[in-house]
Amino acid sequence: DAKTTQPTSMDCAEGRAANLPCNHSTISGNEYVYWYRQIHSQGPQYIIHGLKNNETNEMASLIITEDRKSSTLILPHATLRDTAVYYCIVRAATSGTYKYIFGTGTRLKVLA
Amino acid sequence: DAGVIQSPRHEVTEMGQEVTLRCKPISGHDYLFWYRQTMMRGLELLIYFNNNVPIDDSGMPEDRFSAKMPNASFSTLKIQPSEPRDSAVYFCASRPRDLSGNTIYFGEGSWLTVV
Repeated sequence: DAKTTQPTSMDCAEGRAANLPCNHSTISGNEYVYWYRQIHSQGPQYIIHGLKNNETNEMASLIITEDRKSSTLILPHATLRDTAVYYCIVRAATSGTYKYIFGTGTRLKVLA
Repeated sequence: DAGVIQSPRHEVTEMGQEVTLRCKPISGHDYLFWYRQTMMRGLELLIYFNNNVPIDDSGMPEDRFSAKMPNASFSTLKIQPSEPRDSAVYFCASRPRDLSGNTIYFGEGSWLTVV
C-alpha cells in the first residue's frame, strides 16, 4: 500500500483558504487519493477523492501534482466548523482487496 | 438515506464480560468495514466483508475478537472476554460495490469502556 505523509498540525485564520498537503510518493497508477476529516467525537467524513485530475466539489478542491506524488486539499473559506483532523489516504486496490489505511492525519485548527 | 447505523453508541462493561457491537450498513452497499480508534494507535482496520463474506481479518488483534455478517444488512463485532485495553471507539463503515473511486461511509461509532 502506498503510504502518505502529512504535517501533524496546521492553523488557519477563519475566512482564509486552508491548504493541507499530503505526500504519497509511492502511489501506483491505479490508486486513488482520498481525503476524509474527523470532527471530534464523530465518524470520519468523506470529503473528496481523485485519480490524476484536479477535483472540486461543494466542500473542497483537490489538487494532484502531475507526477501524482503529492496532493493538496483546499478548503477555500475555512470556518470554525472546519476544525478537525484531516486524513489523506490512498486506496489499495490490488487483487480485489480494498483496504483503506488511515495515517495520523493533520490536525487543522481554524482560528477566529 | 439513514447512513451507517451503529449500536450501542456508548457501553461501559466490566473486564471479562462479553461485548457485542452492532452495525447496519447503508442499504445496497456490498462492503462492510470494522475499524478501531484509540489515541495511541489511531484508526485501525480490523476486518472487512464483501457480500457478507470476510475478506481480510488480518487486523483483528487476537482470538478474543470475532466478527460476523449473517446478512447484507447486519454485522456484529464481538469481544469475549473483554479487557481494559479494548477500550476504544469502534467504527463501522460501508461502501458500494466495486466501481472505481467509490468511497466508504462511516457510522458515528460505538464508544467502549472496559473497566
